[in-house]
Amino acid sequence: NAGVTQTPKFQVLKTGQSMTLQCAQDMNHNSMYWYRQDPGMGLRLIYYSASEGTTDKGEVPNGYNVSRLNKREFSLRLESAAPSQTSVYFCASREQSNQPQHFGDGTRLSIL
Amino acid sequence: DAKTTQPNSMESNEEEPVHLPCNHSTISGTDYIHWYRQLPSQGPEYVIHGLTSNVNNRMASLAIAEDRKSSTLILHRATLRDAAVYYCILESSGAGSYQLTFGKGTKLSVIP
Repeated sequence: NAGVTQTPKFQVLKTGQSMTLQCAQDMNHNSMYWYRQDPGMGLRLIYYSASEGTTDKGEVPNGYNVSRLNKREFSLRLESAAPSQTSVYFCASREQSNQPQHFGDGTRLSIL
Repeated sequence: DAKTTQPNSMESNEEEPVHLPCNHSTISGTDYIHWYRQLPSQGPEYVIHGLTSNVNNRMASLAIAEDRKSSTLILHRATLRDAAVYYCILESSGAGSYQLTFGKGTKLSVIP
């Protein structure tokens, strides 16, 4: 009963390093999402994939890229990490629009 | 997307009902009302959603005003585990709608 699994749970990077955050869901959902959450704030959408083979920008896409590897997996890549990207990153999935989103436990990323 | 307005914080006594308000005066006829909550150090968790009629599930009830410009999430008997940030979110049911926009939510404290 894994649901949405994110790896890693914690990561510390130096400015300029690159990194890929992994997300996998086992619910056969069509849509997947990446959000970031800064302290005391709500979640902001970075990118989403409405269905396998498609990706679209959300509210804050700059500095990130995504890959919908297959129906299960949706990765988020930071090509050149910046301190402003220090945040908690959440992946989510759902069957279709207006259905509940299921979230992972998050990746806590610090960039020094 | 239409915006929602929620109080920043609320308090409730344990085992008493809690009514969490949300204003959405610019809601359109096709917007669904979603509620999520986020426990400390966890990803958001779906609570309930509805379009026009009041909705009940095992977690809560959703009361939607007749003009749909406001709604109320009702927790029938607050427990310590219900202490969380509650988000009220609108989502258009139109074609191509895949985004949820999270605001800052209402932080609910439950007093033993």
